[in-house]
Amino acid sequence: EPEVTQTPSHQVTQMGQEVILRCVPISNHLYFYWYRQILGQKVEFLVSFYNNEISEKSEIFDDQFSVERPDGSNFTLKIRSTKLEDSAMYFCASSGGGYNEQFFGPGTRLTVL
Amino acid sequence: KQEVTQIPAALSVPEGENLVLNCSFTDSAIYNLQWFRQDPGKGLTSLLLIQSSQREQTSGRLNASLDKSSGRSTLYIAASQPGDSATYLCAGVRGTDKLIFGTGTRLQVFP
Repeated sequence: EPEVTQTPSHQVTQMGQEVILRCVPISNHLYFYWYRQILGQKVEFLVSFYNNEISEKSEIFDDQFSVERPDGSNFTLKIRSTKLEDSAMYFCASSGGGYNEQFFGPGTRLTVL
Repeated sequence: KQEVTQIPAALSVPEGENLVLNCSFTDSAIYNLQWFRQDPGKGLTSLLLIQSSQREQTSGRLNASLDKSSGRSTLYIAASQPGDSATYLCAGVRGTDKLIFGTGTRLQVFP
């Protein structure tokens, strides 16, 4: 069964460093998303992406964040200068159409020291 | 502010019981509703999507309903099993297809 994959599963970085989180969405999906979950808190929307551009972004998704689909299979989230409060589980999701079911990857746990 | 609330926050039941998990939302612009399961330290597994034109959706022992007029959705789990133990999340779809997540119900089913 097709699934969303994410790498790495765990990333530890120093404050101020850049990190890139990688995702491979389900192959025929067209809509891509990033969410995050700080330990013990709700899952929060970060950004949605369709047709090679951002459809919507949340207040969390400031200038330190960017997304890219560098090729036909990968979808990345970059954080330019990490802060302690960026420590969270980051989930990638994809769907086959607008307002369709979203399928999530296993997540990348980001720890900023 | 968009709010999605789930009641109860935690539930512990013996195996075999039928369960109802509740989800309420204040935002009338929520279009669809999706239910997920999350195991500790793991990702989110999609269980059911109820689109705005539907009132309910069934998958195996799971049945979910949606009443947009009252801002409520329920997830019914029939004949619960220990393997159903997990956190159940509901999420309303709004705007350009973003999910607004609830607080979750942590379910434990004991043998």
